[in-house]
Amino acid sequence: SQQGEEDPQALSIQEGENATMNCSYKTSINNLQWYRQNSGRGLVHLILIRSNEREKHSGRLRVTLDTSKKSSSLLITASRAADTASYFCATDAGQAGTALIFGKGTTLSVSS
Amino acid sequence: NAGVTQTPKFQVLKTGQSMTLQCAQDMNHEYMSWYRQDPGMGLRLIHYSVGAGITDQGEVPNGYNVSRSTTEDFPLRLLSAAPSQTSVYFCASSPRVVYNTGELFFGEGSRLTVL
Repeated sequence: SQQGEEDPQALSIQEGENATMNCSYKTSINNLQWYRQNSGRGLVHLILIRSNEREKHSGRLRVTLDTSKKSSSLLITASRAADTASYFCATDAGQAGTALIFGKGTTLSVSS
Repeated sequence: NAGVTQTPKFQVLKTGQSMTLQCAQDMNHEYMSWYRQDPGMGLRLIHYSVGAGITDQGEVPNGYNVSRSTTEDFPLRLLSAAPSQTSVYFCASSPRVVYNTGELFFGEGSRLTVL
């Protein structure tokens, strides 16, 4: 069963706009990660936020984590056409030595 | 470093045939895993390994076998291919296994079609 679920499933914006996608999960976690997948390629790690952190930044990316609501958001500021990709959240379900469980992803399309 | 290398990139099988998807990493990562990606389903974990000689099942292990005889290699075997195994398969590795504090490094995928 899916641990994380992204919302929305698809998002279309213009270059320069901000893109926000959300992830909800079911059980307690040690950390939450976000990945990007360009069409036909493997996933690439973007950012990791630990359960005791509330916000983290990396370049144009801002991730928040609310463990009380079991949710996270990924904000991409000043989007570019190159940001067009699918974005996935992944969680560890709080168990040491187990695998990351991925959501179904948000497909972001940035048009110029 | 090549990172995570998957072979073959494309494969067509007939129902009932067997094959092995190869995965190799040159980063000395202890943790390796296999996922399958299907439209609308996201990535689902098939098997994973926290070190040489240690493997465990993920969410969808039926019809697949794995072994981990070395740190570098983690092959995925399809015992008797079925059309339901048509998918894109991704191998991923990580340097850390405790509380999954490490990021996953993915290969480029192996696209399998079973007729």
